[in-house]
Amino acid sequence: DAKTTQPTSMDCAEGRAANLPCNHSTISGNEYVYWYRQIHSQGPQYIIHGLKNNETNEMASLIITEDRKSSTLILPHATLRDTAVYYCIVISGTGTASKLTFGTGTRLQVTL
Amino acid sequence: NAGVTQTPKFQVLKTGQSMTLQCAQDMNHEYMSWYRQDPGMGLRLIHYSVGAGITDQGEVPNGYNVSRSTTEDFPLRLLSAAPSQTSVYFCASSFRRGGGQPQHFGDGTRLSIL
Repeated sequence: DAKTTQPTSMDCAEGRAANLPCNHSTISGNEYVYWYRQIHSQGPQYIIHGLKNNETNEMASLIITEDRKSSTLILPHATLRDTAVYYCIVISGTGTASKLTFGTGTRLQVTL
Repeated sequence: NAGVTQTPKFQVLKTGQSMTLQCAQDMNHEYMSWYRQDPGMGLRLIHYSVGAGITDQGEVPNGYNVSRSTTEDFPLRLLSAAPSQTSVYFCASSFRRGGGQPQHFGDGTRLSIL
């Protein structure tokens, strides 16, 4: 599975959009981009995933560049409850195990 | 819908004791897995199952056993607990294996081995 690079930490004011970048320059054609978050002491929470096209759900939007080498998770109106560590993960569409390799992620701090 | 349920939430063991961490899901998911998370680190895959009766090892399987007799349940057994197994354990499930299937996690079991 391709490796990902994320900033260590980011701050965002409550009510503003939080844009979390992720670099995955070695991604291959059948690999999906996933975003999870982990709020302190809780289990990882699935946010969104995509293969080629941009995606949107009730939680967030995912923008994937045309060359697929990077992506951005957008939380449109961040709240204090969005403070968490956000993980960008690339996972193959095939294989014997859907192993999620969590790196260090981006610690997002939402402030008043 | 309860999702993925893990029990117990907390456990303290003595070195050499054995125990079973329970994981149950009510989403009729075929794929289930166990991870451990150590402080400041990401999740590491212990064992996984692609369906009832089928299990396989992940990257850190030593000291752990699993079985999958039903679709709903995937217990993790510590055979002889060691301090190095002090960790937070997460169970996850998804409809199928593969990149297009998001995994859903339980809230974890916090295990301390003295």
